[in-house]
Amino acid sequence: ETGVTQTPRHLVMGMTNKKSLKCEQHLGHNAMYWYKQSAKKPLELMFVYSLEERVENNSVPSRFSPECPNSSHLFLHLHTLQPEDSALYLCASSQGRQGGITGELFFGEGSRLTVL
Amino acid sequence: AQTVTQSQPEMSVQEAETVTLSCTYDTSESDYYLFWYKQPPSRQMILVIRQEAYKQQNATENRFSVNFQKAAKSFSLKISDSQLGDAAMYFCAYSRRGGTYKYIFGTGTRLKVLA
Repeated sequence: ETGVTQTPRHLVMGMTNKKSLKCEQHLGHNAMYWYKQSAKKPLELMFVYSLEERVENNSVPSRFSPECPNSSHLFLHLHTLQPEDSALYLCASSQGRQGGITGELFFGEGSRLTVL
Repeated sequence: AQTVTQSQPEMSVQEAETVTLSCTYDTSESDYYLFWYKQPPSRQMILVIRQEAYKQQNATENRFSVNFQKAAKSFSLKISDSQLGDAAMYFCAYSRRGGTYKYIFGTGTRLKVLA
C-alpha cells in the first residue's frame, strides 16, 4: 500500500447511526488532516493532528469526533449526523516541523458520505 | 485573513491547445507556498505544481507551468498541449510557510477538454 488510503469509499447512514471513517498514510508523514468537500465550496478544514496531537479544530460540530491513535492512522467518528453533512470527506497528510507547514498535502481518494 | 479566489468556475480547451487557469490570493505574509491540485472525477486529488514565494522563477512540471506574480498576488496555471486526461477540477491553494497547518483552497475550476 502506498500513499493515503481511506475506507470506506462510500457510506450511507441514517441520522441515528454511528459510523467511522478510517484513514491510513504510508508516507511517514507526521501531520494528518480531515477536510470536508461540498459542491461549489472551498475545501473546509475540519481537524489537523500533528504528532498525534490535535492542533486544529475548525469549529466542527461535536457530532464529528476525530481520533488519531498514531501518526499513520486517523479516524473520524460520526454520530447523529444531519442530511447537510452529506459530502466527500478527504483525509490528507503532510510532513511538517514543529510550528507547521513545510510542504504540500497528500490526499486520499475520499469517503463519500450520504446521510438520509 | 488569507483568501484564495478562482474566478473561473468552468473552462474548456480543445485537445492539443493551451489553457490558462486563474488564481488570485490575498495575504500579508511574505513567505508562503502556492499549489495547484488536480481532482479528476471520482478520483484522488493530486498535486500538479508547487511554488515557493521566495523563488522568483516560475515553477514548471512538464506541460504544466505557472505564472507567479507576487506583487499582484496572482498565480495562474498554464496547461500546454492539453490532453483528454487533463479534464478535472483544478484547485489553487495557499499555505503560509511554517504556518499552523492551514491550507486555504479556492472553489475550483472545472476544466473540460474537447476532442
